[in-house]
Amino acid sequence: GQNIDQPTEMTATEGAIVQINCTYQTSGFNGLFWYQQHAGEAPTFLSYNVLDGLEEKGRFSSFLSRSKGYSYLLLKELQMKDSASYLCAVRDSGGSYIPTFGRGTSLIVHP
Amino acid sequence: GAVVSQHPSWVICKSGTSVKIECRSLDFQATTMFWYRQFPKQSLMLMATSNEGSKATYEQGVEKDKFLINHASLTLSTLTVTSAHPEDSSFYICSARGGPPKEDYGYTFGSGTRLTVV
Repeated sequence: GQNIDQPTEMTATEGAIVQINCTYQTSGFNGLFWYQQHAGEAPTFLSYNVLDGLEEKGRFSSFLSRSKGYSYLLLKELQMKDSASYLCAVRDSGGSYIPTFGRGTSLIVHP
Repeated sequence: GAVVSQHPSWVICKSGTSVKIECRSLDFQATTMFWYRQFPKQSLMLMATSNEGSKATYEQGVEKDKFLINHASLTLSTLTVTSAHPEDSSFYICSARGGPPKEDYGYTFGSGTRLTVV
């Protein structure tokens, strides 16, 4: 199985940049997802990393270092609507290929 | 894009009764569906994996007789919470996998069901 760790809560100011970290331990790695989840709603896909490096997609970027078991999600030009929970999920290379989710980081963006 | 419809969005039921939650893939055939449970400020915990036409595979600690899963067609999976108790109150989310390759690597989530047992 996996052991996924991410901060419980973060706060940031509208217009700023915030980095949400995720560390993981897994017996075999086969990809890392980031999802955004607003309260009472289902997660929505943000990014997928399987190779080392930075993937940029608009205001959101995701970075992966497989050797360090580390990823981060970078949110730029924060908007109030970015207040949500951000879930890191790791898929192992076992037979199921099902992602295991971290507890999520609750991001609060204030004016 | 792929859409997964989940119903109901919320339900309140009395302790001891059963509740059925439906998960439908609207524009693709879902060979595999996943059921998750999420308690407040907690992670999504996988309950079971269901493949069309076969028995569901339950995660350790999940009672298969209490959480009945049926995946009778390639577009519909149901989760029935039998003899519900207040501790079963949670947010239940389904996810379907199938269809053409997509950006999100095939895991499409339903909108979730908030179950409250009183």
